[in-house]
Amino acid sequence: DAGVTQSPTHLIKTRGQQVTLRCSPKSGHDTVSWYQQALGQGPQFIFQYYEEEERQRGNFPDRFSGHQFPNYSSELNVNALLLGDSALYLCASSLARAPYGYTFGSGTRLTVV
Amino acid sequence: SQQGEEDPQALSIQEGENATMNCSYKTSINNLQWYRQNSGRGLVHLILIRSNEREKHSGRLRVTLDTSKKSSSLLITASRAADTASYFCATSGNTPLVFGKGTRLSVIA
Repeated sequence: DAGVTQSPTHLIKTRGQQVTLRCSPKSGHDTVSWYQQALGQGPQFIFQYYEEEERQRGNFPDRFSGHQFPNYSSELNVNALLLGDSALYLCASSLARAPYGYTFGSGTRLTVV
Repeated sequence: SQQGEEDPQALSIQEGENATMNCSYKTSINNLQWYRQNSGRGLVHLILIRSNEREKHSGRLRVTLDTSKKSSSLLITASRAADTASYFCATSGNTPLVFGKGTRLSVIA
């Protein structure tokens, strides 16, 4: 039973560039949430997708956008990268009718130089 | 913004000792969960306690919840070197999981 798969595992980008991170949810899950975790901090909620729509959003600027596909996989896009966007980006999947069972991927480590 | 605040920020103990971590939160919750993270990798779900529960056990883990004080504690008994990790509490209410800043646990063999 595959868990949550994230790609790539590591990424280095230059300030001002754009980046796309990908997430495949656990089999049977229909909801995807994205989190940003800066070094030494706890994960911060970015947004959640269900039925291909953004359902909830945290306190992140519009440079952060996402998408969910019909197969429930999801992308996180960040435009105009800043040095402060360097972090571990975590994807978590869950089931809308049982929202307390979150499964996390191993994350994508983004470094902005 | 962070909902929970774990205490202490860092904890170092000898193998075989018990480790206790505390978490305080600010708003009403449906449940509180504890997660473990090894070396900045993905989060592993440890245990969930619902708002109407006061204590829960899972193997060497014991979690308590005091909704009147908006606090929870995680006890790991008979710790092992493999328990070395960061531990986070996360609350779930009307929003998806909101995490604290975590406790870094080091278990010395």
